[in-house]
Amino acid sequence: EAQVTQNPRYLITVTGKKLTVTCSQNMNHEYMSWYRQDPGLGLRQIYYSMNVEVTDKGDVPEGYKVSRKEKRNFPLILESPSPNQTSLYFCASSLMTGGASGELFFGEGSRLTVL
Amino acid sequence: KQEVTQIPAALSVPEGENLVLNCSFTDSAIYNLQWFRQDPGKGLTSLLLIQSSQREQTSGRLNASLDKSSGRSTLYIAASQPGDSATYLCAVKKSHWGADGLTFGKGTHLIIQP
Repeated sequence: EAQVTQNPRYLITVTGKKLTVTCSQNMNHEYMSWYRQDPGLGLRQIYYSMNVEVTDKGDVPEGYKVSRKEKRNFPLILESPSPNQTSLYFCASSLMTGGASGELFFGEGSRLTVL
Repeated sequence: KQEVTQIPAALSVPEGENLVLNCSFTDSAIYNLQWFRQDPGKGLTSLLLIQSSQREQTSGRLNASLDKSSGRSTLYIAASQPGDSATYLCAVKKSHWGADGLTFGKGTHLIIQP
């Protein structure tokens, strides 16, 4: 089944404790992206990747890192989490080549709470 | 900077009614527009995608239209059912290979009363 898989789905952590949210897709998509969703602010892009070893900042990149060493994986790293990073995080991917429509597919989300 | 607005923010209607959700965007230079559904605590499910060259797309009881020149899209839901209750989000993409991602509206929270 074609899907975008995120882990963990739920996490409670404390300020300053490094964490990684993994994202994997099995659709051979070039493009992958991370969004956060907050009440009243909607969905905002954190980072994106056009392909392996190609990443760039979105609208709200502060406090986050990403890497794209393999096509299927795009982990989101919080080196020193703070309470304002408490949010619902979504990973998404899309096919860019071969006349693809660019339709974006989302994972189930990861709810992160930073105390 | 692109801004996407969805009206109404919330809507409650009896089962069986046909309804229209609205989405407007400020910059008409878009590549595509996508409608999503989000259930509480869940991810986003893609419903329909309209390319900038298209006027509408249909899937089952759903029909989405796009008027790029006026910066508007509508999602029409026919014969609504309680299972249609969810938040509906529209999002626009400026270009295919560009650096920008999707710009999302804040959604319409839809409740279909049995």
